[in-house]
Amino acid sequence: AQTVTQSQPEMSVQEAETVTLSCTYDTSESDYYLFWYKQPPSRQMILVIRQEAYKQQNATENRFSVNFQKAAKSFSLKISDSQLGDAAMYFCAYRPGIQGAQKLVFGQGTRLTINP
Amino acid sequence: GAVVSQHPSRVICKSGTSVKIECRSLDFQATTMFWYRQFPKKSLMLMATSNEGSKATYEQGVEKDKFLINHASLTLSTLTVTSAHPEDSSFYICSARAPGGGNQPQHFGDGTRLSIL
Repeated sequence: AQTVTQSQPEMSVQEAETVTLSCTYDTSESDYYLFWYKQPPSRQMILVIRQEAYKQQNATENRFSVNFQKAAKSFSLKISDSQLGDAAMYFCAYRPGIQGAQKLVFGQGTRLTINP
Repeated sequence: GAVVSQHPSRVICKSGTSVKIECRSLDFQATTMFWYRQFPKKSLMLMATSNEGSKATYEQGVEKDKFLINHASLTLSTLTVTSAHPEDSSFYICSARAPGGGNQPQHFGDGTRLSIL
């Protein structure tokens, strides 16, 4: 079974600085998708960024980028120029690439605090 | 972007009451929706996969007679917590995957906080 591990329960960063959240996963499959979701205090899950395993290029969305290391099964999230609104729980998630397999497997989450 | 609406956002009721939570995909058809449960400061745990027009697929350890799922249309799935007890108090979240292929992400509702007294 696939597992997702976030080894940092909590992280904090100074506003405008850069922070990296770690995520590792375990799978025997070669085709899959990886996601980072953000859950602010309002509790809604918001998609931050996604990565297809077959793509070597790291995904980027404005201030958010990932470092995808397929061989190491690592998928870290880098937030540049941190803003107060980035404060939230961040969840790394895995989904198989098999057609019809849609279940997401979530990591334990990392609570990110932004210090003004 | 794709929007999923979940209702109600909060429910407080007495023990023994049955509670229905609705999950709607507002601007796309979702043949599959998902129901998660989230305990305080914990991750999301998948409870079941809701399939339009067929029975839901429950994860191991989830009581299907306790958590009834109905997916009667391509835009609506409901989760009914039957005869709820205090241990059922939790945050319940639904999601739906937008159409368009395997790389489409799941879009989540705002969640329902269920408190059983």
